[in-house]
Amino acid sequence: DQQVKQNSPSLSVQEGRISILNCDYTNSMFDYFLWYKKYPAEGPTFLISISSIKDKNEDGRFTVFLNKSAKHLSLHIVPSQPGDSAVYFCAAAAFNQAGTALIFGKGTTLSVSS
Amino acid sequence: EPEVTQTPSHQVTQMGQEVILRCVPISNHLYFYWYRQILGQKVEFLVSFYNNEISEKSEIFDDQFSVERPDGSNFTLKIRSTKLEDSAMYFCAIRLQGRQDGYTFGSGTRLTVV
Repeated sequence: DQQVKQNSPSLSVQEGRISILNCDYTNSMFDYFLWYKKYPAEGPTFLISISSIKDKNEDGRFTVFLNKSAKHLSLHIVPSQPGDSAVYFCAAAAFNQAGTALIFGKGTTLSVSS
Repeated sequence: EPEVTQTPSHQVTQMGQEVILRCVPISNHLYFYWYRQILGQKVEFLVSFYNNEISEKSEIFDDQFSVERPDGSNFTLKIRSTKLEDSAMYFCAIRLQGRQDGYTFGSGTRLTVV
């Protein structure tokens, strides 16, 4: 049972354009969402997060949008840079349930071409 | 930003052998986690460790697995009687108390069971 779904395994974008990575979840108990970036042979690196009480969080070129009614979140990267090429994981946690385990999606491989 | 060191970076073991994966956080944290990523698949939660005891575990974390903090600093994952399907990247993660987004992952140990 996939509680966190990233339905696009890959995305290709030109440098300078917007990258939009999508994530859907099924568990309505999730109250915190995070995006991680991962390079081969390295651990996931935290990018940005959002609490379920918000619908948007912005940090530099990265913005995360949360639509609770649709159980959908997205990560926008503007402008995209070649160094952004990596695997992006969406993750969720249910802190209101005293659970702190992150549940990850399968990831989306972003390729930014110059 | 806290750091997490994992050793070894790569371990090859024969099927049926026991392995111990180690995680050394730089700072003192209360929350510790183990995740694994089988090649080409998503990052999966194994277990969380809080206040010197297991607080959550997934169905993957069966009797074959155990965790401990033997000397108050190292955090270890022991896999008994390894199987071919245990081959994966194993990531340790730590979380700052009071920080819902404060998960920091190590660079992982690649376990290869032959």
